[in-house]
Amino acid sequence: EAGVAQSPRYKIIEKRQSVAFWCNPISGHATLYWYQQILGQGPKLLIQFQNNGVVDDSQLPKDRFSAERLKGVDSTLKIQPAKLEDSAVYLCASSLVRGSYNEQFFGPGTRLTVL
Amino acid sequence: DAKTTQPPSMDCAEGRAANLPCNHSTISGNEYVYWYRQIHSQGPQYIIHGLKNNETNEMASLIITEDRKSSTLILPHATLRDTAVYYCIVRVNTGGFKTIFGAGTRLFVKA
Repeated sequence: EAGVAQSPRYKIIEKRQSVAFWCNPISGHATLYWYQQILGQGPKLLIQFQNNGVVDDSQLPKDRFSAERLKGVDSTLKIQPAKLEDSAVYLCASSLVRGSYNEQFFGPGTRLTVL
Repeated sequence: DAKTTQPPSMDCAEGRAANLPCNHSTISGNEYVYWYRQIHSQGPQYIIHGLKNNETNEMASLIITEDRKSSTLILPHATLRDTAVYYCIVRVNTGGFKTIFGAGTRLFVKA
């Protein structure tokens, strides 16, 4: 089956510019996650969707980050305006919860560099 | 903050078993232990999970202590391709759960 798709794979912008990332989860997966991974650290959850509703966005910097999940399928994450500290890999993941099984499938990520 | 503690790095000889420890002393009764790994420049990959019984699949074995305060991931015959960062996570499986990754253990498999 096709995995989680993300685009672009790489993006370089200057501070104060805007940027958007796109994610297409695995077909049928109701839960979608966006993570931020700074170099040398583990992924940090930014936002979690269940279908097209937000389950957890407690760690999303809402003054500059926004995310939406259209029709419960694809999702976009936007940063406006970007800061130097936003340089990181942005990972999208999706999962299908069945009983005790809840494996998250991750995409390849988008590496953002803010200059 | 992550609810788990792992050593920052470990070495293992190729062909030998790699035993990666994880402490989760504050784990709740309904929280599962999950292990993921992240090979350089890729997204994390699921390995295995368990509640209180030991588990085994084609990739690894998971040993959870009786008090559930710690666990060990075992790669029975490590290969060079197993060099990666390994993350131990505890979380519930119901809706609304939060997945918190720590810094993980960087495993180096050496020839």
